[in-house]
Amino acid sequence: SQQGEEDPQALSIQEGENATMNCSYKTSINNLQWYRQNSGRGLVHLILIRSNEREKHSGRLRVTLDTSKKSSSLLITASRAADTASYFCATDTGTYKYIFGTGTRLKVLA
Amino acid sequence: GAGVSQSPRYKVAKRGQDVALRCDPISGHVSLFWYQQALGQGPEFLTYFQNEAQLDKSGLPSDRFFAERPEGSVSTLKIQRTQQEDSAVYLCASSRLGPNNEQFFGPGTRLTVL
Repeated sequence: SQQGEEDPQALSIQEGENATMNCSYKTSINNLQWYRQNSGRGLVHLILIRSNEREKHSGRLRVTLDTSKKSSSLLITASRAADTASYFCATDTGTYKYIFGTGTRLKVLA
Repeated sequence: GAGVSQSPRYKVAKRGQDVALRCDPISGHVSLFWYQQALGQGPEFLTYFQNEAQLDKSGLPSDRFFAERPEGSVSTLKIQRTQQEDSAVYLCASSRLGPNNEQFFGPGTRLTVL
């Protein structure tokens, strides 16, 4: 079974807009990671946030983590058509298993 | 350097056939993971190797699934007597040892069982 659930399941926005997707999980974690998957490049690591961190930035990406609510959000600013992909959160519970969520399908319209 | 590679990229099998899927991790990566991804879903953990030791195989769906990594580098996932429900993309990932390391994924093998 999958621990994480992304919300929304699908999101469609115009190029230049911001995209926000959320991830909820069930158990305590060491870290949470966000991945992007499209048909062209497979599954690609975007950013990792440790359990003792609350916010992290990487380029146009901003990730927040609220361990009290067991939730994380990924913000993509100034979206581009190339950002069209599925986005997954993955939690590392310290047991070797990385548990992926169900994914958010993002479509950026040019 | 080279990333994680998997072969074959596509495999069509008749129900009941055995298949073997190969993963070449990034050189020097101690940790190796196999995942199964059904259409429209996120990857689901199958098994984990640390060097040649299979430390966790709790995600393998049945005893028809078997994975090995005999020399601590290349890994093979074998599925015996394939069933239609085995149809999925099988992803391999590798990483450095220890917490807080990102996983590098291969392109996957798309298995279709007819």
